[in-house]
Amino acid sequence: GDSVTQMEGPVTLSEEAFLTINCTYTATGYPSLFWYVQYPGEGLQLLLKATKADDKGSNKGFEATYRKETTSFHLEKGSVQVSDSAVYFCALSDRNDYKLSFGAGTTVTVRA
Amino acid sequence: DADVTQTPRNRITKTGKRIMLECSQTKGHDRMYWYRQDPGLGLRLIYYSFDVKDINKGEISDGYSVSRQAQAKFSLSLESAIPNQTALYFCATSAGQGANEQFFGPGTRLTVL
Repeated sequence: GDSVTQMEGPVTLSEEAFLTINCTYTATGYPSLFWYVQYPGEGLQLLLKATKADDKGSNKGFEATYRKETTSFHLEKGSVQVSDSAVYFCALSDRNDYKLSFGAGTTVTVRA
Repeated sequence: DADVTQTPRNRITKTGKRIMLECSQTKGHDRMYWYRQDPGLGLRLIYYSFDVKDINKGEISDGYSVSRQAQAKFSLSLESAIPNQTALYFCATSAGQGANEQFFGPGTRLTVL
C-alpha cells in the first residue's frame, strides 16, 4: 500500500538557519503530495502541495518539489524563524479514493 | 468561528467507559474523517465517510464506531475505552472527488486511565 517516510526528529535550529526535512514515498499510482504543519496546541493545516511530477509547492518561504524519479518531496526553507517551530507532516493522497497517508512527523524547534 | 470544531477538547475517562467525540463543520464538505495521532506514528485513519449514507473503515477501526448524523456532523465512539486508546484525535473534512486537501479540527486529547 501507499506509505510515506520522513526524516526523524527532533530537529533544533538557530534562527536564520537553513531547514530541510526529507520525505520519500511509496505509491502504486501518481499521488498528490502534501506538507502539513501542526503548531503547538493546534490541528494540522496545509502548508503546501504538489499534484504532479516536477511541480513545486511553496508557501510562507517553504518549498518542496515533487520528484517522481526519486519518489521524494523534501521540504526546505532558507531562513527559519522562531515562529516556524512546529511539527511537520509529509502526506500523500491516492488519486482513486483521496485518502491521506501521513509520515510520522518531524518536530522542529527554532531557537532565537 | 472555526470551520471544523471538535468537542470535547480534553477528556479523561476510565477503562470500560463509553466515550463519544463529536465533530461539526460549516464548510459544506461531503467528506469527513477521523484520525488518531500518536507520538512517532503520525496520523492514522480510523473511519471516513464520503456522504451521509457512506461509512468506511480506515486502517485502525477496531474498538471504534462512528455515526454520520448529518452532512455537517460526524461522531466517533469508543464503546469500551481501554488505555491504549489514549491519544490525540482529529476530525477532518474535504470537499469531494478531485479536491483532496483536508481541513482539520483542533483535536481532542483523550486519556483513558
